[in-house]
Amino acid sequence: DVKVTQSSRYLVKRTGEKVFLECVQDMDHENMFWYRQDPGLGLRLIYFSYDVKMKEKGDIPEGYSVSREKKERFSLILESASTNQTSMYLCASSLINMNTEAFFGQGTRLTVV
Amino acid sequence: GNSVTQMEGPVTLSEEAFLTINCTYTATGYPSLFWYVQYPGEGLQLLLKATKADDKGSNKGFEATYRKETTSFHLEKGSVQVSDSAVYFCALRGSQGNLIFGKGTKLSVKP
Repeated sequence: DVKVTQSSRYLVKRTGEKVFLECVQDMDHENMFWYRQDPGLGLRLIYFSYDVKMKEKGDIPEGYSVSREKKERFSLILESASTNQTSMYLCASSLINMNTEAFFGQGTRLTVV
Repeated sequence: GNSVTQMEGPVTLSEEAFLTINCTYTATGYPSLFWYVQYPGEGLQLLLKATKADDKGSNKGFEATYRKETTSFHLEKGSVQVSDSAVYFCALRGSQGNLIFGKGTKLSVKP
C-alpha cells in the first residue's frame, strides 16, 4: 500500500519558534508537495520539489522554506512561527507522469500560540 | 493561469438523493482532472480521475466526465449515503506537475 507519512498529527508551538514538519513517502515518487489548508480558502501550494535538492515556490512561500536531501523525505520549515501560520498542513507526493494522481499524508494540525 | 472553480457548499441532502457538484476549470491544453475526498480528520484521498477529453472517471458510485467543450468535470452520484458526508475537491494537474485545487464543497447527507 502506498504511503505518505507526516511526522505529527497535532503540533502546538510558540510564536517565534523554528518549526520542522517532516514528510516521508515510500513510493519512490519524484515530486513532493506541501500544501496549507484553511477554511474557505481550500488548499494552497507552499512549495514543491521535483528532485532531490530541487525546490520551487508555490503560491504562498513567504515565511516558509523546505529541504529535500533525500528522495523520500521533504521537510517544511517555519523559520519563525507566527499565529497566522496556524493551519492544517498537507504533504503529498506523485510520479512525474502528468496523468497520475498525488497521494496525501494525513495532515498536521499546527497551532501557533 | 490555471484555475479550478467549484460550487461552494455546504450541500445538504437526504439519503438516496441525487448529487451533483459542479466543477469548471481554466487551463492551457488538456490537463488531467481529479476529484479528491476528505473525510473528517483525514488527509485527501483520490476519488476518481480522467486524463483526456470525454474520459469518464468512476469509483464507489461516483462519476465525472471530462468535457473540454464546457471545460467542466462535474461530480455525480445517483444515490448518496450518510457515509458520503465529506469535503470534495476538484483539481487539475498544472504544467509544473503540481495539483491546483478548487476551494472544496462540504457535503452532509442526512438519514
